[in-house]
Amino acid sequence: NAGVTQTPKFQVLKTGQSMTLQCAQDMNHEYMSWYRQDPGMGLRLIHYSVGAGITDQGEVPNGYNVSRSTTEDFPLRLLSAAPSQTSVYFCASTDGGPNTEAFFGQGTRLTVV
Amino acid sequence: GEDVEQSLFLSVREGDSSVINCTYTDSSSTYLYWYKQEPGAGLQLLTYIFSNMDMKQDQRLTVLLNKKDKHLSLRIADTQTGDSAIYFCAESIQGYSTLTFGKGTMLLVSP
Repeated sequence: NAGVTQTPKFQVLKTGQSMTLQCAQDMNHEYMSWYRQDPGMGLRLIHYSVGAGITDQGEVPNGYNVSRSTTEDFPLRLLSAAPSQTSVYFCASTDGGPNTEAFFGQGTRLTVV
Repeated sequence: GEDVEQSLFLSVREGDSSVINCTYTDSSSTYLYWYKQEPGAGLQLLTYIFSNMDMKQDQRLTVLLNKKDKHLSLRIADTQTGDSAIYFCAESIQGYSTLTFGKGTMLLVSP
């Protein structure tokens, strides 16, 4: 049972490069989210989706795009990487019920130089 | 707006009880959660409490909720070195689909 799978685990980008962080879940969850974790800042919501074809912005959406063409996948795109986007990125999924947990991926550690 | 505050660091000895505190500001919070993050890993749900409850106990974990003061605490009984991790308090507001996290409390358990 894979749960939430994020790839890659580590990535180094040059300023201005673009890339896509992949997130896939095999639990048929409707709700998926992307968070970034920075030292001393906790986790902050970037974008989220409540179902295929539906996405919305979170607390820190600038510089990131998402799409949800299937229930399973929720990729996060960095359009033009900046050093301020150096962070650990976590993808999460949940079936939306309040008494069920959000499952998190293992994270992608991104460094922008 | 939503804000979740936690103390940043707690150090205890093995066998003692640990109490990690959290305050939140949004009175419309429906569920409050405690997550554990070990080094280099993702987040693992420890427990949650519905906002109409005062207390929830799950083995070594006890969650207390004071809704009037918007204060949440996590007590870990008989703390072990394996409990050393960062603990995040989180609240759900937007229909349960997203979470607002505190900055995390690093718990260090010494032998």
